Amino acid sequence: EVQLVESGGGLVKPGESLRLSCAASGFTFGNYRMNWVRQAPAKGLEWVSSISGTSTYIYYADSVKGRFTISRDNAKKSLYLHMNSLRAEDTAVYYCARHQDEGRIDYWGQGTLVTVSS
Amino acid sequence: DIQMTQSPSSLSASVGDRVTITCRASQTISTYLNWYQQKPGKAPKLLIYAASSLQSGVPPRFSGSGSGTDFTLTISSLQPEDFATYYCQQSYRTLLTFGGGTKVEIK
Repeated sequence: EVQLVESGGGLVKPGESLRLSCAASGFTFGNYRMNWVRQAPAKGLEWVSSISGTSTYIYYADSVKGRFTISRDNAKKSLYLHMNSLRAEDTAVYYCARHQDEGRIDYWGQGTLVTVSS
Repeated sequence: DIQMTQSPSSLSASVGDRVTITCRASQTISTYLNWYQQKPGKAPKLLIYAASSLQSGVPPRFSGSGSGTDFTLTISSLQPEDFATYYCQQSYRTLLTFGGGTKVEIK
């Protein structure tokens, strides 16, 4: 069974940093592109970043480029999101999500809440 | 970036109704269009991929159609468990984008 479990969320002040983690199981992690997708309170879904299976290709939404860094450790079957210079508008539930052929996202974690507030 | 526009943003319907949600892309995306269902407090769930392919385990009352810039998600006979928010998502470009969502509520 495919499982994605996020951790690392919490309450931080504007300008601070946070690292999210996602532990994957039930599939060959290194064979899949992975994504971070976020959802602000009572808002829609926003794609944040993605990374290819070998970390060769990395992409970011304009809203986080230069502040967030995605990475992965295939030996540990883990995905990470390093978030710097956090802003109030980064407050959201962050989902780890598996990318499938044609760009569909077929598995999602339960999400971890990041709150940026002074 | 490719902008995805869904309509309506919300709708009220009764159990047994046929429901149609539309999604329009700001440029042609072929059939690189996926649909998700999200219930409150839960992660999204993939329903339809590549515009019209039903994800494994999804009831056949859900169907998708369209290509180019205009797409449709149809629920043939709305069930109580279908009251949720639905999102479209394009995967034509590497930078993925989602529509704003359509909330389906009980009439």
